[in-house]
Amino acid sequence: GIQVEQSPPDLILQEGANSTLRCNFSDSVNNLQWFHQNPWGQLINLFYIPSGTKQNGRLSATTVATERYSLLYISSSQTTDSGVYFCAVPSRGSTLGRLYFGRGTQLTVWP
Amino acid sequence: DGGITQSPKYLFRKEGQNVTLSCEQNLNHDAMYWYRQDPGQGLRLIYYSQIVNDFQKGDIAEGYSVSREKKESFPLTVTSAQKNPTAFYLCASIRRTGSAGELFFGEGSRLTVL
Repeated sequence: GIQVEQSPPDLILQEGANSTLRCNFSDSVNNLQWFHQNPWGQLINLFYIPSGTKQNGRLSATTVATERYSLLYISSSQTTDSGVYFCAVPSRGSTLGRLYFGRGTQLTVWP
Repeated sequence: DGGITQSPKYLFRKEGQNVTLSCEQNLNHDAMYWYRQDPGQGLRLIYYSQIVNDFQKGDIAEGYSVSREKKESFPLTVTSAQKNPTAFYLCASIRRTGSAGELFFGEGSRLTVL
């Protein structure tokens, strides 16, 4: 299967700081998703981003499929951004098959 | 409202008992998935189903069983053969997006075996 590596594993920030989370994957993909798992365990879709750049408020994501990585940018972080951020990619050529997840980045934002 | 509904949200069971977790979606998604998450860990795939009456094992299928009799429903049974069943269980389904698919999750079921 595809290997998905996320870095850093842990990140601690002061409120208002900016951060960049990285997701590397081992094979070409036609899809990549970023999720945020809040402290209650709920997984929230942030971005569906097979390539290019997307922005949603203070968050943006860039996927460079040819170089097999994606970046998630969080600007002006808030305490509500705390939680675990996962990226996931599908197996090659698969539309409805399994997705492979990274181990996540645990983000803690202090007031 | 459209979405993925998991029940129960919290469940306590004695060791040796089978437990069935419900997952229902009204999004008309074809494929459904079950993941397990242990504290501080990532997501591990248990089973998935791309079509009614068909399903495939994921990475940790031992001690679990599933059925897919209806498109909307994908229940997971945690059997007494599962050695460490206490975990957070997440159900998901995929919406086709062109040649790919976008995954959506339910709110999860937290199982504690005493």
